[in-house]
Amino acid sequence: GDSVTQTEGQVALSEEDFLTIHCNYSASGYPTLFWYVQYPGEGPQLLFRASRDKEKGSSRGFEATYDKGTTSFHLRKASVQESDSAVYYCALSAGNEKITFGAGTKLTIKP
Amino acid sequence: EAAVTQSPRNKVTVTGGNVTLSCRQTNSHNYMYWYRQDTGHGLRLIHYSYGAGNLQIGDVPDGYKATRTTQEDFFLLLELASPSQTSLYFCASSDVGGPNYAEQFFGPGTRLTVL
Repeated sequence: GDSVTQTEGQVALSEEDFLTIHCNYSASGYPTLFWYVQYPGEGPQLLFRASRDKEKGSSRGFEATYDKGTTSFHLRKASVQESDSAVYYCALSAGNEKITFGAGTKLTIKP
Repeated sequence: EAAVTQSPRNKVTVTGGNVTLSCRQTNSHNYMYWYRQDTGHGLRLIHYSYGAGNLQIGDVPDGYKATRTTQEDFFLLLELASPSQTSLYFCASSDVGGPNYAEQFFGPGTRLTVL
């Protein structure tokens, strides 16, 4: 079945550090890839999506590029802020009706 | 205004107890979903529905029933609650086939504790 692997369970950085969260996927066909963000006390919300090879998704300074060759969709941000502290989920949808989520990465930014 | 609401926000019950979690969406979306969220597992799909009266089995359905009574309302039922069902439960809705391809909109969650 479809699966999403996030390498880092937790990441701790200081403000203005560079962020990378690794995401690899396994799916049949040509899935749409997502990054969702979940702030404390809230439900997850879509950060951005990408639907085809080499497409870059971006929002709020975060970005990720769909790489079909390496089956990856790594999340990056050049300079993190304390307000970026949250849980980040990589996810995929191989059809339209269901989304498969990774285990999540808790990002903590120290001021 | 919140488009997906859940009630209660917190619930404590005992082993063997009967629990109903409620979800209402005002997005006019066709699909609704129930997930549980556990550390190390992320979000796991329990059940989902594409319309009133419809129910589809998710990835972790054991011990759960669900019912979609209207387009707006989706309920999750735990008829014999067990401590392994202690978790944070999220409801979501999606306009499958619409312009925002597969994006799901989540409620604020219900924290359930089974003693």
